Amino acid sequence: DSGVTQTPKHLITATGQRVTLRCSPRSGDLSVYWYQQSLDQGLQFLIQYYNGEERAKGNILERFSAQQFPDLHSELNLSSLELGDSALYFCASSPRYRDEQFFGPGTRLTVL
Amino acid sequence: AQSVAQPEDQVNVAEGNPLTVKCTYSVSGNPYLFWYVQYPNRGLQFLLKYITGDNLVKGSYGFEAEFNKSQTSFHLKKPSALVSDSALYFCAVRGPNQGGKLIFGQGTELSVKP
Repeated sequence: DSGVTQTPKHLITATGQRVTLRCSPRSGDLSVYWYQQSLDQGLQFLIQYYNGEERAKGNILERFSAQQFPDLHSELNLSSLELGDSALYFCASSPRYRDEQFFGPGTRLTVL
Repeated sequence: AQSVAQPEDQVNVAEGNPLTVKCTYSVSGNPYLFWYVQYPNRGLQFLLKYITGDNLVKGSYGFEAEFNKSQTSFHLKKPSALVSDSALYFCAVRGPNQGGKLIFGQGTELSVKP
C-alpha cells in the first residue's frame, strides 16, 4: 500500500457525461500527479500540482481539468466524455526533495 | 523531445536464472531514470532510480539497474528470478526542467516459470 488513495475504484458512465476522480496523497506529500493508462497510448502524464499550484502539464485534453485543494487532495474532472477516454487513471504523489512518485491503485473509467 | 523505449514486449525466464529487462532513453541533459513494477489490478510500485553517482543502482526486491550513458540505456537486472517477479515493468525518464513529468516506456511483461 503506497498510502495514496483514489476514489472511486470503478466508474461506468455514458458518452457526453462528466465525472470527477478524487485523489488523496500520502501524508505530507505536496506534489500530486495524474496519469492515464490505456492499451493504445500506454502510460501518459497528464498534469502535476505542487502545493495547490500547477507545476507541469502533459498532453491533457481541454475537456479535462484538475485542481489541488488546500488540504492537498486533488480532483481530476473529465467532461464531454468519449469512448476513447476509457482508461485507468492513476494519481501519484511525492514528498519534497524526493524524486520517486508513489502511485495510487487507480480509477478504472469505462465510457459506454 | 524525451522518450523511452523498451524493445521487448515480453521476457520469459526460468526461475533461478538471471533476468534483464531492457530500456533505452532519449533526453536533453542529464536524465533522471526510474523503474516501476505493476502487478495485475494494482498501481505502480517504485523499484529504483538513478539520479547521479554510481552507475549500478540497487533497489527493492533484489533488483538492480545499470546506467550506461554512452549507450543511453538503463537495463533492469536481477541475479536470480522468482515466480513472484512476474509482472509488468516500466522504465521512465524525467528530463531537466520538466517538473515531475515522467515519460514511461510501453512496458515489458516479465514471465518467470518454475
